[in-house]
Amino acid sequence: RKEVEQDPGPFNVPEGATVAFNCTYSNSASQSFFWYRQDCRKEPKLLMSVYSSGNEDGRFTAQLNRASQYISLLIRDSKLSDSATYLCVVTTTGFQKLVFGTGTRLLVSP
Amino acid sequence: GAVVSQHPSWVICKSGTSVKIECRSLDFQATTMFWYRQFPKQSLMLMATSNEGSKATYEQGVEKDKFLINHASLTLSTLTVTSAHPEDSSFYICSARDRGRVSGELFFGEGSRLTVL
Repeated sequence: RKEVEQDPGPFNVPEGATVAFNCTYSNSASQSFFWYRQDCRKEPKLLMSVYSSGNEDGRFTAQLNRASQYISLLIRDSKLSDSATYLCVVTTTGFQKLVFGTGTRLLVSP
Repeated sequence: GAVVSQHPSWVICKSGTSVKIECRSLDFQATTMFWYRQFPKQSLMLMATSNEGSKATYEQGVEKDKFLINHASLTLSTLTVTSAHPEDSSFYICSARDRGRVSGELFFGEGSRLTVL
C-alpha cells in the first residue's frame, strides 16, 4: 500500500464548478499535511497547509480527518487557471521527510 | 518568498557521461536540501536528503555511487548523475527548507529535465 494515495483523475469540470479531492495516508504518526499544486513540467508550489481544525484560503478549503487518515481539498468557483495537478503531501515529526501522493489532475473547461 | 534556484533547467547528454545539477537557496540558509526525481505521470520520489557539511542520506534503492550529492555550503547542494544512461532520463527537482522558519514549508527549485541519449 502506498503511503499517500490519491485518485489520479483527471477531474474534468466546467468553470464555476465546485470540485473536491481526497487523499489518504497510511502512517498514523504523520504530523503535517500540505496541498501542493504542480503545473505541467513545472516544480510543485505550496497551495496551502492543512490544519486539524480545517482551514480556508479564498476559494480553497482544506480539511483533515486524523481518525480516518484522510485529507481533502475543496475548490469552489473553479477557474481555468486552476487546471493543474494537485499533490497531497504528508510529513512526519520534524519535517524530515515529505511523502508525495501521485497527484490528482484537474482540468477546468470553459 | 524564499527562492530556490536550480540549474540547468534542462540538459541532454550522451550515455556514459556525467551531469551535475546545482540547487541554490537564494535568500535563506538551508541546512537540509532534498533531491527528488519525477518520472512522467508519477509522483515525486525522494532520492536523498542532503545535509550541509555531512554525507547525504539516500533512500532505499537509490545508488549513492551513481547519484553523488555534495552540500558544501548552507546555500548550495549539487547532484551529479554519474555515467548516465537512458533510464536516468527524468525530471530532477531539489527543495530546501528555510531553517529560519518553523512552518516546515519546502521551497522547490524549478527542476532539471535530463534526457540521456
